[in-house]
Amino acid sequence: DAGVTQSPTHLIKTRGQQVTLRCSPKSGHDTVSWYQQALGQGPQFIFQYYEEEERQRGNFPDRFSGHQFPNYSSELNVNALLLGDSALYLCASSLVNTGTGYTDTQYFGPGTRLTVL
Amino acid sequence: AQSVTQLDSHVSVSEGTPVLLRCNYSSSYSPSLFWYVQHPNKGLQLLLKYTSAATLVKGINGFEAEFKKSETSFHLTKPSAHMSDAAEYFCVVSGGGNKLVFGAGTILRVKS
Repeated sequence: DAGVTQSPTHLIKTRGQQVTLRCSPKSGHDTVSWYQQALGQGPQFIFQYYEEEERQRGNFPDRFSGHQFPNYSSELNVNALLLGDSALYLCASSLVNTGTGYTDTQYFGPGTRLTVL
Repeated sequence: AQSVTQLDSHVSVSEGTPVLLRCNYSSSYSPSLFWYVQHPNKGLQLLLKYTSAATLVKGINGFEAEFKKSETSFHLTKPSAHMSDAAEYFCVVSGGGNKLVFGAGTILRVKS
């Protein structure tokens, strides 16, 4: 059973460029969440996608956008890159608990290391 | 709002001695609490989770954590450290929503 996969593993961009990161959830999961982990810090929640819609969003600017496809995979897009966007971007997948409406345990992928020069 | 405070940024133990990583939380809701581990250049692996069942939670690799509501704590322990336990550990809270709120992390060093 494949876990959460992310691509690419590493990426180097320059300021002002745009980037797209990809995530495939664990088999059977329907929800994808994205987190940004700056060096030496804990991950910060960017947003969560469920049923192809953004369900919840953290304190990130509109330059950060996403998409979820019918097969539950997801993309994270970042426009007008800044040096401060350099970080490890983590994708987590989970399954919505139909009783509570909340997601169950989130399982993380290996991450994409983005460097902005 | 939810928040997590990990009381030690670095912990160093000798192999075979007990491990204690401390975590305090704040939540307006009945929280779900987690410990995740991150080895260098790797993603996050779930160690254990608390979701209002038993207050003593057992996880993988011999780790366990105790939920103490009166102290708003969720400390992680292991009776005997192994070299392979060296990593960064994150205490995480989820409550009233779907996002996870992470602590700043504790780096565990295990000396031979």
